[in-house]
Amino acid sequence: GENVEQHPSTLSVQEGDSAVIKCTYSDSASNYFPWYKQELGKRPQLIIDIRSNVGEKKDQRIAVTLNKTAKHFSLHITETQPEDSAVYFCAARALRAGGYQKVTFGTGTKLQVIP
Amino acid sequence: EAQVTQNPRYLITVTGKKLTVTCSQNMNHEYMSWYRQDPGLGLRQIYYSMNVEVTDKGDVPEGYKVSRKEKRNFPLILESPSPNQTSLYFCASSLSRPAGTDTQYFGPGTRLTVL
Repeated sequence: GENVEQHPSTLSVQEGDSAVIKCTYSDSASNYFPWYKQELGKRPQLIIDIRSNVGEKKDQRIAVTLNKTAKHFSLHITETQPEDSAVYFCAARALRAGGYQKVTFGTGTKLQVIP
Repeated sequence: EAQVTQNPRYLITVTGKKLTVTCSQNMNHEYMSWYRQDPGLGLRQIYYSMNVEVTDKGDVPEGYKVSRKEKRNFPLILESPSPNQTSLYFCASSLSRPAGTDTQYFGPGTRLTVL
């Protein structure tokens, strides 16, 4: 089955610096890669996603890159702010026979932005 | 308001006492899923459903049951809970378009403690 590895597990950056979180996946059938942000005590919420036919997507301070050949994708946050502090999860969605979809999450990265 | 609801939000129970966690969505989504979240392990899929009467096992289905009799509801059943099922549980739903980029919307979570 699909295996999604996420690194690092914790990340501390100074406010204003950039943060990068990396994920690798194993299933070449994966075609959709969302990133979720989970604040303490809250539910995960989508912050950005990318499809397998796109190499990069940007939304203000957040960007995601995808390298299908190497089976890895990354989240980039620029000009970090204290409110970016949270746990971030990557995920990969793969198609199965009969149209079934399987979503596998990474183990999460706890980002701390130091003011 | 489009939302996914779960009940109860908090539950403390004892080993062996059957329980059901309800999940309901009002967005007419086909795809619904249950996850458990444990420290250091991220979100692991328990069961998912592609549509009414169509369910399949995720990565950690042992000890759980689900049903999908109506499109909006996807209850999680623990027939005989054990302490290793103490966890934070999330229900999620999305449209089901294999070629699309369908955001998963998460419920608020249910914190379950099994003594």
